[in-house]
Amino acid sequence: DTAVSQTPKYLVTQMGNDKSIKCEQNLGHDTMYWYKQDSKKFLKIMFSYNNKELIINETVPNRFSPKSPDKAHLNLHINSLELGDSAVYFCASSARWPVGAFFGQGTRLTVV
Amino acid sequence: AQTVTQSQPEMSVQEAETVTLSCTYDTSENNYYLFWYKQPPSRQMILVIRQEAYKQQNATENRFSVNFQKAAKSFSLKISDSQLGDTAMYFCAFMTWDTGTASKLTFGTGTRLQVTL
Repeated sequence: DTAVSQTPKYLVTQMGNDKSIKCEQNLGHDTMYWYKQDSKKFLKIMFSYNNKELIINETVPNRFSPKSPDKAHLNLHINSLELGDSAVYFCASSARWPVGAFFGQGTRLTVV
Repeated sequence: AQTVTQSQPEMSVQEAETVTLSCTYDTSENNYYLFWYKQPPSRQMILVIRQEAYKQQNATENRFSVNFQKAAKSFSLKISDSQLGDTAMYFCAFMTWDTGTASKLTFGTGTRLQVTL
């Protein structure tokens, strides 16, 4: 069974469109994250949720809006997509005890 | 703020040899955890090994081991008996720990490791 699952794996869309990426974890973890990996492979946190509550919001344009309907799900909605939003977006989850974060397979977003 | 530095953008090692990847970090926290993640071409992020800062003993996972030097804020990864499947980007990462809520992972810039025949 997949521990952290995000869909879709690939997303190609035009500038100005709105898109969503979904994430689900079946590990029973309390904390979920969104990370962005740029073209140089640098990983940077965007958001962190703990039990559906927003904990971390790292200087991300407000076109990005995370939503956590329950602690097993954390979705990312992006409005008015721009070329610079092209990247790989990773969802991850972590237990209360820091054994490490477990990552989904990533969504490669390409804005054309 | 915490920073993680990986000074080796690329490294190469022959199959069956040993290679060490370097990582240094900066923090004023006392309670933290360190990790190495592997990202193969499939782009999946795979946790390789973790180290609790309060433990003096270096962590080991099969062919992977760390050299944790807390005073020097150094956390290097040693891969023994390198295999072709070890070819990947390797990221060093840092996580603080506070009141039972997991904090964010801060990543280094990564080291691209190529294992050759």
